[in-house]
Amino acid sequence: GQNIDQPTEMTATEGAIVQINCTYQTSGFNGLFWYQQHAGEAPTFLSYNVLDGLEEKGRFSSFLSRSKGYSYLLLKELQMKDSASYLCAVFTGGGNKLTFGTGTQLKVEL
Amino acid sequence: DTGVSQDPRHKITKRGQNVTFRCDPISEHNRLYWYRQTLGQGPEFLTYFQNEAQLEKSRLLSDRFSAERPKGSFSTLEIQRTEQGDSAMYLCAVAGGPGYPFFGPGTRLTVL
Repeated sequence: GQNIDQPTEMTATEGAIVQINCTYQTSGFNGLFWYQQHAGEAPTFLSYNVLDGLEEKGRFSSFLSRSKGYSYLLLKELQMKDSASYLCAVFTGGGNKLTFGTGTQLKVEL
Repeated sequence: DTGVSQDPRHKITKRGQNVTFRCDPISEHNRLYWYRQTLGQGPEFLTYFQNEAQLEKSRLLSDRFSAERPKGSFSTLEIQRTEQGDSAMYLCAVAGGPGYPFFGPGTRLTVL
């Protein structure tokens, strides 16, 4: 089976940097996604890692270590609009099944 | 264009009734997923299609749930004899080739 763990809640200050961690135990790993989800809305794609290392996209970066079953999402220069749930999801198996963690609710404060 | 529409956006029904949701990708995508999400949780995998073939179905999905994708484009999800525990957001996502899954706006189901 698949097991994906991430913290339930985090709080950070506007303008700061925050790192959201995700650990996973899966079979047939085919890549890891991060999605952002605002309350009442659908998840929206942020990043995808399939090889080890850091992927940078503007204020958002995502890191993957396949040997450790570990990823993090780094958000820089936090803005109030970054307050949302951040979902870690893993692609597994030949059928490309996407399995989500429970999400990390990030609150950005002044 | 990777847009996805879902219909209806909201559905209120009485326990024991059947409901059907529809997912319409704007353009062709060979992969289509259905997820269920409750408050404070991540999306829970229900089922997955590769074109018209249903390749995987969650063991959590009882036989009251059925999904189809008859022509490999739109998909329907039916819940028979709804229960209060079925109240959730039902999300459809599509992807083509190596692309990432793109989610539709979801259908919020409330079972009274």
